[in-house]
Amino acid sequence: DIQMTQSPSTLSASVGDRVTITCRASQSISTWLAWYQQKPGKAPKLLIYKVSSLESGGPSRFSGSGSGTEFTLTISSLQPDDSATYYCQQYNSYPLTFGGGTKVEIK
Amino acid sequence: QVQLVESGGGVVQPGSSLRLSCVASGFTFSSHAMHWVRQAPGKGLEWVAVISFNGGTKNYADSVKGRFTISRDNSKNTLYLQMNSLRTDDTTIYYCARALTYGQAYLDYWGQGTLVTVSS
Repeated sequence: DIQMTQSPSTLSASVGDRVTITCRASQSISTWLAWYQQKPGKAPKLLIYKVSSLESGGPSRFSGSGSGTEFTLTISSLQPDDSATYYCQQYNSYPLTFGGGTKVEIK
Repeated sequence: QVQLVESGGGVVQPGSSLRLSCVASGFTFSSHAMHWVRQAPGKGLEWVAVISFNGGTKNYADSVKGRFTISRDNSKNTLYLQMNSLRTDDTTIYYCARALTYGQAYLDYWGQGTLVTVSS
């Protein structure tokens, strides 16, 4: 199984800050990586697929990059509505696997 | 608009069975692979199972293989998860989710989830 490791597990930043979350795969997953945002009590919501493709309706301040085993999700200017937990997920092969999550808090 | 509505969760004893359902609307259900993903309260996401658009291909997480069965009825726009031999560590929220295809398995729509509690 491909292990997905996210860092940090928690981050606290101010409105307007640039925020970066890292996701590492235990083996190459090419560009088969998605990012999700989950708010408390809600289902996850797809943000980005295929590393950098922004899901329709997603805010343009979210972007993704990387390939192979190392990937990043960047929020260019953190907004209050971005307070949530973010998960990466590989779909290079089954079983699908998720990272452990990064909780983003607003200072 | 796309909607996925799960049902069937509840409180059951260890060793018992439960069947979850997920009714889809707002899209051509028979064109999409479908998944079950679960999440223990306060924990991360765990993929459970996938079924291809026509039900011909299925895959399971090792943690549920041999105990859970995923199926679908395209005439009813409904996805199912039959869960047998339930254990206390199956206590989680179960989400159904849509994927573009079996291979393009990013999950673009999710249901609201249904809670399964396995407890004696």
